[in-house]
Amino acid sequence: EADIYQTPRYLVIGTGKKITLECSQTMGHDKMYWYQQDPGMELHLIHYSYGVNSTEKGDLSSESTVSRIRTEHFPLTLESARPSHTSQYLCASSYLGRTDQETQYFGPGTRLLVL
Amino acid sequence: QKEVEQDPGPLSVPEGAIVSLNCTYSNSAFQYFMWYRQYSRKGPELLMYTYSSGNKEDGRFTAQVDKSSKYISLFIRDSQPSDSATYLCAMSAGGSYIPTFGRGTSLIVHP
Repeated sequence: EADIYQTPRYLVIGTGKKITLECSQTMGHDKMYWYQQDPGMELHLIHYSYGVNSTEKGDLSSESTVSRIRTEHFPLTLESARPSHTSQYLCASSYLGRTDQETQYFGPGTRLLVL
Repeated sequence: QKEVEQDPGPLSVPEGAIVSLNCTYSNSAFQYFMWYRQYSRKGPELLMYTYSSGNKEDGRFTAQVDKSSKYISLFIRDSQPSDSATYLCAMSAGGSYIPTFGRGTSLIVHP
């Protein structure tokens, strides 16, 4: 089982609140990712990072920000939560292994409900 | 047209059946093909990985890639109720390219 953790696992919050979803991994992976997943839909890449002090936006603009101050930690912040942000958020990390393809390991996810 | 197409199902089969899960894609640059399994309320876990065309077998699972048809498959033999999950295909051009995921197929194996 992958050593990647997400907190909280479930969150119910009111519109307009600021929230931070935590993600940490103990595998020493340089690359980390945030995905948004709605039931029966594709994983949408929100943000990713190639290493400390590196952050990039993915193909889904979710009005969120990320930071990467430490290798093992990659938090996602929503400055002002809206009902459209209701979804599951998955964090992942990866390394370039022997197979020459990035192998991604996923956390258990955070289910967010914005009222 | 989406880069990766995958029928969401659900696919319901009896225990012991052979299951075939499929994805089609449009990007001819894709060379690496993955299958992830995702149980309810869990994150995806890598199940199978294949490079370029051909077959790869791991226990009851066989991954098959046909690049000429831009079509990949995952076969599950002797399916078990514990195989009930959503199966996501993913593919990339390799190296540092971030994979593109299908929407997943929900599989239900009933006793």
